[in-house]
Amino acid sequence: SAVISQKPSRDICQRGTSLTIQCQVDSQVTMMFWYRQQPGQSLTLIATANQGSEATYESGFVIDKFPISRPNLTFSTLTVSNMSPEDSSIYLCSGRGPGNTIYFGEGSWLTVV
Amino acid sequence: GEDVEQSLFLSVREGDSSVINCTYTDSSSTYLYWYKQEPGAGLQLLTYIFSNMDMKQDQRLTVLLNKKDKHLSLRIADTQTGDSAIYFCAELGGATNKLIFGTGTLLAVQP
Repeated sequence: SAVISQKPSRDICQRGTSLTIQCQVDSQVTMMFWYRQQPGQSLTLIATANQGSEATYESGFVIDKFPISRPNLTFSTLTVSNMSPEDSSIYLCSGRGPGNTIYFGEGSWLTVV
Repeated sequence: GEDVEQSLFLSVREGDSSVINCTYTDSSSTYLYWYKQEPGAGLQLLTYIFSNMDMKQDQRLTVLLNKKDKHLSLRIADTQTGDSAIYFCAELGGATNKLIFGTGTLLAVQP
């Protein structure tokens, strides 16, 4: 199975600040994605991280709020900008590997106070 | 649009079989997945099935797919207390190539 590592695993952030989450995947992964899971909810796709170009965002998510980078095949970052308490969620990195296996990291649990 | 539905809660006794159900709307789905999420953890890929298959078995897990009715189920044999978790089904849209998640089913295993 593909290995997906995220950091930080947890953080408590002040409103108005920004936080960058890092995701490292192993070389089997071709596509990378970022999801949000709000408390008690299911997962919602934020964007597809494209290597060397701008991410593809889903409806309701914009680059100014969630800038994403993917400078190479195995690394991506998601920044949550100008945070408010409504941004308190789990943010999950995902990677698609061989045979359409899709794996997730352990998530980054953000609390905004 | 794509939609994936699950029942919210299932309670079983230890040793019994659990069956978690899922329905989806996208007839062009290519793959369907089952994930497990334990408290405080990320998502663990349990199993997945190609849309032209109707059954897949992996140890205690059996996945059944009825493509005509767009119905997916996950059967866990000999359910243990360690199986208590939230189970998500997800479908990979054929046209969108995106993974869409169901609402999640909380499985509670009573000793």
